[in-house]
Amino acid sequence: QSALTQPRSVSGSPGQSVTISCTGTSSDVGGYNYVSWYQQHPDKAPKLMIYDVTKRPSGVPDRFSGSKSGNTASLTISGLQAEDEADYYCCSYAGSSYVFGTGTKVTVL
Amino acid sequence: QVQLVQSGAEVKKPGASVRVSCKGSGYSFNTYGISWVRQAPGQGLEWMGWISTYNLNTDYAQNLQGRVTITTDTSTSTAYMELRSLRSDDTAVYYCARDQRLSPNDYYDYLDYWGQGTLVTVSS
Repeated sequence: QSALTQPRSVSGSPGQSVTISCTGTSSDVGGYNYVSWYQQHPDKAPKLMIYDVTKRPSGVPDRFSGSKSGNTASLTISGLQAEDEADYYCCSYAGSSYVFGTGTKVTVL
Repeated sequence: QVQLVQSGAEVKKPGASVRVSCKGSGYSFNTYGISWVRQAPGQGLEWMGWISTYNLNTDYAQNLQGRVTITTDTSTSTAYMELRSLRSDDTAVYYCARDQRLSPNDYYDYLDYWGQGTLVTVSS
């Protein structure tokens, strides 16, 4: 199972919006609504930010939102804040396993 | 509150085995599965496998089949991951995570709570 494709990095100024794409195939992202997103700060465990494409766990700010079109899922961070600077990974159901994305570093300028 | 607490860092020689533990608390341990995910230094996340804490079914990543075994002791709410025939490229931080998937009939959905991670270093 090949990793889902994410841009290596994205950046934005505080208050701006950034969008991270996650491209897979019809066997994973495109075939099921089981896409999740994880935030990881340096030397910390990943944290669930979005699940089932669009749902936010309790406690996750509403400036984080998810969507999907065809084989590509997206995570949008609106009103970027300094604490949003981190690595972000998408993840999808892929038949008999999970498949993660390659990871995107978000930099707040 | 939900917590997953993992065992401490390990240093192993090539060819050896390692076992990492993951103790759950703050929830009913046998109502969620456990997945294991690893992250090599400077690299991304890699799913390794899953266990149902209810009926002990397991799934493993194809590239690790035959080298990894995931088990659970529900009496102590603890899951274990054993990796054998260690190589230098197995050097990574290993995470356990609570998995919504409890039955083989369920989909792999999401991982909502994670352990703190265990660094396994493989070096001669």
